Amino acid sequence: QQQVKQSPQSLIVQKGGISIINCAYENTAFDYFPWYQQFPGKGPALLIAIRPDVSEKKEGRFTISFNKSAKQFSLHIMDSQPGDSATYFCAASDSGYALNFGKGTSLLVTP
Amino acid sequence: KAGVTQTPRYLIKTRGQQVTLSCSPISGHRSVSWYQQTPGQGLQFLFEYFSETQRNKGNFPGRFSGRQFSNSRSEMNVSTLELGDSALYLCASSLAPPSPSTQYFGPGTRLLVL
Repeated sequence: QQQVKQSPQSLIVQKGGISIINCAYENTAFDYFPWYQQFPGKGPALLIAIRPDVSEKKEGRFTISFNKSAKQFSLHIMDSQPGDSATYFCAASDSGYALNFGKGTSLLVTP
Repeated sequence: KAGVTQTPRYLIKTRGQQVTLSCSPISGHRSVSWYQQTPGQGLQFLFEYFSETQRNKGNFPGRFSGRQFSNSRSEMNVSTLELGDSALYLCASSLAPPSPSTQYFGPGTRLLVL
């Protein structure tokens, strides 16, 4: 049973646009919500993470929005660049271990 | 600081064989987790080790096992390989519990079972 549901499966955005990826979870014990970026042939790399005590966290062009009551969180990539083209995974865990991943979003940023 | 290293990077085995994969965590990291990545199921948690003890285990059959050594290096073993075991096996390391901390992933070992 998928504990974290991610959408969309794929996304095409023009350079300079905003990429938005959404995730939803059911387990209210989850208290750590990271986003990972993965390029072909590489392992996932942490982009940004959030705890449920804040509603938004921004790092550079990447922002996580978190809605605890709706059990949803999303990743916004501002000013998307071709180099951002990768697969993005949201995840959730209880106390930071045993990450439960979404199925991933393949992002393509066109020039 | 060197990242998480995994060996071998690629492996081809036949059904029924067994395989051992190795992971060296980032220096100072004492927790090691293993994940299986497939196109159909995505990234799935296998198990996590800390101080040579398995702390958490995912929903995988007993053919999948692992261990951690005193220097925090970890190995995972898959016995009686099945075609469905073909996947990218990822190792991630993090600082010691209990506080949750970033998991840093290695490049993975790509296993093909024929």
